[in-house]
Amino acid sequence: EAQVTQNPRYLITVTGKKLTVTCSQNMNHEYMSWYRQDPGLGLRQIYYSMNVEVTDKGDVPEGYKVSRKEKRNFPLILESPSPNQTSLYFCASSLLSAGDSADTQYFGPGTRLTVL
Amino acid sequence: AQTVTQSQPEMSVQEAETVTLSCTYDTSESDYYLFWYKQPPSRQMILVIRQEAYKQQNATENRFSVNFQKAAKSFSLKISDSQLGDAAMYFCAYRGYNTDKLIFGTGTRLQVFP
Repeated sequence: EAQVTQNPRYLITVTGKKLTVTCSQNMNHEYMSWYRQDPGLGLRQIYYSMNVEVTDKGDVPEGYKVSRKEKRNFPLILESPSPNQTSLYFCASSLLSAGDSADTQYFGPGTRLTVL
Repeated sequence: AQTVTQSQPEMSVQEAETVTLSCTYDTSESDYYLFWYKQPPSRQMILVIRQEAYKQQNATENRFSVNFQKAAKSFSLKISDSQLGDAAMYFCAYRGYNTDKLIFGTGTRLQVFP
């Protein structure tokens, strides 16, 4: 089954304690992305990757890091989480689009993060 | 920069009735894609319908259809014969022609009453 998985699904942590949210896809997609969802703000892109070892900032990258060492995995790293990073996080993946071949983005199930 | 606006934070509809959710966007591009995503209480993001800007014909998927007005930069979603399972948050999203990045609106929460 084609899917994007995220772990953990729920996480409560404390300020400053480093954490990693994993994301994995089994569709051989080049493009992967992280979004955060906040009430009244919709989803906003944090980071994205167009292929292995190629990553770039989205609209709200402050306080986050990512890596893309393998095509299937795209972990999100919070080295020193703060309460303003309490949010719902989504990983998404798709084939890299070119012009009129826009592919559907597949979303993971979401990770609810609370930083105390 | 492109923006997407959903001006209805909440909407409600009676079962079997029709409801329309509004979305406007701002862009200087001539080619792009527009999407509606559904987010039920499970939080999963589910693609409902997509529209290519270069196609004049409005997209339709079963009970879901769009009214795409390119000149007005409007992209509304019509849900016909509403069902209890349609209750969810709905997000409108924009994607440029040569990018994979999605730009989302703030969402509309739809309630469906029996």
